[in-house]
Amino acid sequence: EAGVAQSPRYKIIEKRQSVAFWCNPISGHATLYWYQQILGQGPKLLIQFQNNGVVDDSQLPKDRFSAERLKGVDSTLKIQPAKLEDSAVYLCASRPVGREETQYFGPGTRLLVL
Amino acid sequence: AQRVTQPEKLLSVFKGAPVELKCNYSYSGSPELFWYVQYSRQRLQLLLRHISRESIKGFTADLNKGETSFHLKKPFAQEEDSAMYYCALRSGGYNKLIFGAGTRLAVHP
Repeated sequence: EAGVAQSPRYKIIEKRQSVAFWCNPISGHATLYWYQQILGQGPKLLIQFQNNGVVDDSQLPKDRFSAERLKGVDSTLKIQPAKLEDSAVYLCASRPVGREETQYFGPGTRLLVL
Repeated sequence: AQRVTQPEKLLSVFKGAPVELKCNYSYSGSPELFWYVQYSRQRLQLLLRHISRESIKGFTADLNKGETSFHLKKPFAQEEDSAMYYCALRSGGYNKLIFGAGTRLAVHP
């Protein structure tokens, strides 16, 4: 089966600009996650969707970050405006229904904010 | 607070040597722990989970609730084991994962 797809793979922007990332999960996976991974750290969950509803966005900086999954399939994560500290790899993961199921990760989008 | 600690940023060993990557956790409930691995230029992927009690690629990990640890072990390291290893704790009803900072394993010939 095709894996989780993400685009773009790399993005360089200046601070205060806007940026958007796209994720296409594995077909049929109801749960979708966005993680932020800062250099030297492990992935940190930003937001989790179950179908098209948000189930956890407690660590999403809502003043600048937003995410949506309108049809319960693809998702976009947006940063507006970006700060230097947003430089990181943004990982998308998806998981099928079932407590024992694992998360499958995409290749990530590497963001550099100058 | 729920937390995963991997005290070593880098573990460097020679081929054939035993390997132990340390992971300690803090969790108030019944923990579910995982090891994820990321090989060079590949995606993050599940290596093993404690509930399966299985050996994957020669790696094993035992949950020690008394010491709140879930160390990853392999008796004889191979060069192809070189990668970033992340310990993760499943938290909450929606299967949220809390990751440690990761340990880079470098296996030298």
